[in-house]
Amino acid sequence: AQSVTQLDSQVPVFEEAPVELRCNYSSSVSVYLFWYVQYPNQGLQLLLKYLSGSTLVESINGFEAEFNKSQTSFHLRKPSVHISDTAEYFCAVSKETSGSRLTFGEGTQLTVNP
Amino acid sequence: DVKVTQSSRYLVKRTGEKVFLECVQDMDHENMFWYRQDPGLGLRLIYFSYDVKMKEKGDIPEGYSVSREKKERFSLILESASTNQTSMYLCASSLTGVPLFGEQYFGPGTRLTVT
Repeated sequence: AQSVTQLDSQVPVFEEAPVELRCNYSSSVSVYLFWYVQYPNQGLQLLLKYLSGSTLVESINGFEAEFNKSQTSFHLRKPSVHISDTAEYFCAVSKETSGSRLTFGEGTQLTVNP
Repeated sequence: DVKVTQSSRYLVKRTGEKVFLECVQDMDHENMFWYRQDPGLGLRLIYFSYDVKMKEKGDIPEGYSVSREKKERFSLILESASTNQTSMYLCASSLTGVPLFGEQYFGPGTRLTVT
């Protein structure tokens, strides 16, 4: 079975500071990895994903994540956060053989303070 | 844009009632999902469906059932609501196949309170 662990439940940072949200997964087979974001009072939306190819993937709003197979990690980073990045972030993993099923982590609440 | 709608944003029901949560998507997606979201537990999959009239159990199906009679609609049923089913329920849909693999589109959620 595969599982996902998000190592921090809450991450408070100041505006324009860098941030890293940590995600580790466990799986005995190749996986696909995702980060979803949930803004207050909204459903989740896809932020970025790794399927294959370059291990560094980027989103349109400045986030990036690096797939590290040896450390089984997919940490999310942003060099300078904005107030509007305040949200809950979920890491998720899937195997191709599991169809479209995703296994989600527990979530990390990112709060950006002025 | 893909749109996933859920019938209610907030719902209050009594213990023992039968509860229906409805979800509709407008993009002809094959796959539909029901999750519950609880603080500190993330999202847990209740049931999913990869075609009309097809369903598979997720990680926490006990106490729930589902129905998918039409491609665009996926219903979650609580046969006899209990207080431990108080939660946020999220519906999602997706297409099958790379490169859209894993891209799920979520509705806004239904916050269900069972008293």
